[in-house]
Amino acid sequence: QITLKESGPTLVKPTQTLTLTCTFSGFSLSADGVGVAWIRQPPGKALEWLALIHWDDDKRYSPSLKSRLTITKDTSKNQVVLTMTNLDPVDTATYYCAHSDRGRGYRYGTFYHYYYMDVWGRGTTVTVSS
Amino acid sequence: QSVLTQPPSASGTPGQRVTIACSGSSSNIGSYVVNWYQQLPGAAPKLLIFDNSQRPSGVPDRFSGSKSGISASLAISGLQSEDEAIYYCVTWDDIVSGWVFGGGTRLTVL
Repeated sequence: QITLKESGPTLVKPTQTLTLTCTFSGFSLSADGVGVAWIRQPPGKALEWLALIHWDDDKRYSPSLKSRLTITKDTSKNQVVLTMTNLDPVDTATYYCAHSDRGRGYRYGTFYHYYYMDVWGRGTTVTVSS
Repeated sequence: QSVLTQPPSASGTPGQRVTIACSGSSSNIGSYVVNWYQQLPGAAPKLLIFDNSQRPSGVPDRFSGSKSGISASLAISGLQSEDEAIYYCVTWDDIVSGWVFGGGTRLTVL
């Protein structure tokens, strides 16, 4: 059974750096096709993808936040860490981490790979305020 | 503003069939599969549909997904009160080089 749990500070001051940890179980982040993504949701607003790290250490970032984000993994500890610099009140949100996996399909005579985030953590709420 | 476009709201009465549309472009829906998530009040999103039309185990067959060109849709038949939630479409985008979400559709069961 795959589980993920986010942890980090609940209150951060503007301009500070936020460090969030996703601790997971039930899968290995060194397995082919596996990844962990971070997504956030401001109060009453839509989901927003932030970053993704793959089993092979390939890293992707939301273009609008790329300069402020860093994602790393510690396979031995089953953890993924997201760092966000220069926090602002608009960064107030619930932050989720999610397990990303790869599947294989067959359509129109061709095999193809697809990805999906199938299991999410419960999220951690971060408030940015002085 | 979200990369994928969804109607902000939808509604139906118990037993009805409702459809939620998701519109994108050639760099996202036109090139990749679409996944759908259900977010109940106060809860984390839950995977509802993956690979355009596949259901994870445990998801009722009342939920179905489809994709055509640069659009996708989620259909819910036999609407139930517990289906009241916000539904999001998600796919990969070549320009973003990452996941993109729709703005979410709040479904109300009247």
